[in-house]
Amino acid sequence: EVQLLQAGGGLVQPGGSLRLSCAASGFTFSTCAMSWVRQAPGKGLEWVSATSASGSATYYTNSVKGRFTTSRDNSKNTLYLQLNSLRAEDTAIYYCATHYDGSGHLLGFDSWGQGSLVTVSS
Amino acid sequence: DFVMTQSPLSLPVTPGEAASISCRSSQSLLRADGQHYLDWYLQKPGQSPQLLIYLGSHRASGVPDRFSGSGSGTDFTLKISRVEAEDAGVYYCMQAVQTPWTFGQGTKVEIK
Repeated sequence: EVQLLQAGGGLVQPGGSLRLSCAASGFTFSTCAMSWVRQAPGKGLEWVSATSASGSATYYTNSVKGRFTTSRDNSKNTLYLQLNSLRAEDTAIYYCATHYDGSGHLLGFDSWGQGSLVTVSS
Repeated sequence: DFVMTQSPLSLPVTPGEAASISCRSSQSLLRADGQHYLDWYLQKPGQSPQLLIYLGSHRASGVPDRFSGSGSGTDFTLKISRVEAEDAGVYYCMQAVQTPWTFGQGTKVEIK
């Protein structure tokens, strides 16, 4: 059974930093591309970032480029999201998700973590 | 960026009845391989989202066959043939053509 166990959320002041983690089990993590998706309180879903299976390629939505960094440690089966220069509008639940790929292209996010709440407030 | 627009935003349904949600993209979701890269997700109250449909009409593993997806180009539909109480939640469409992958605003399905 695929499991994604997230950790690392919390309250941080504007301009501060936080690191989220997503520990994977039940599948071959090193062959699976991954994404982060967030959801502001009472709002819809927003894709944030993705990484290839090897971690050699990363992608970001414009609003977080230069501030957030996605990385992975395939030896530890763990995905990370480093959040820097945080703003109030970054307040959200952050989900990690596995990619279901076909011919090297994303088909969908087929497993999701339980979510980590990040609150940016003074 | 692709803009995804769903309608309606709220949908009250009676158990056993059919339900339909529309999703429109600002650009075609057809890729060169002939497939439409459109997903449907359901987020039940207090839970993480779950994948229902990918490539516009393919049910994800374990998804009941009362869920079906259709459409082409820029217009897509999710249909629930006979709504059950467990189908309550917010349904999102998402384009998977190119990054940034973008979601619709969500449609809240409420069981009467």
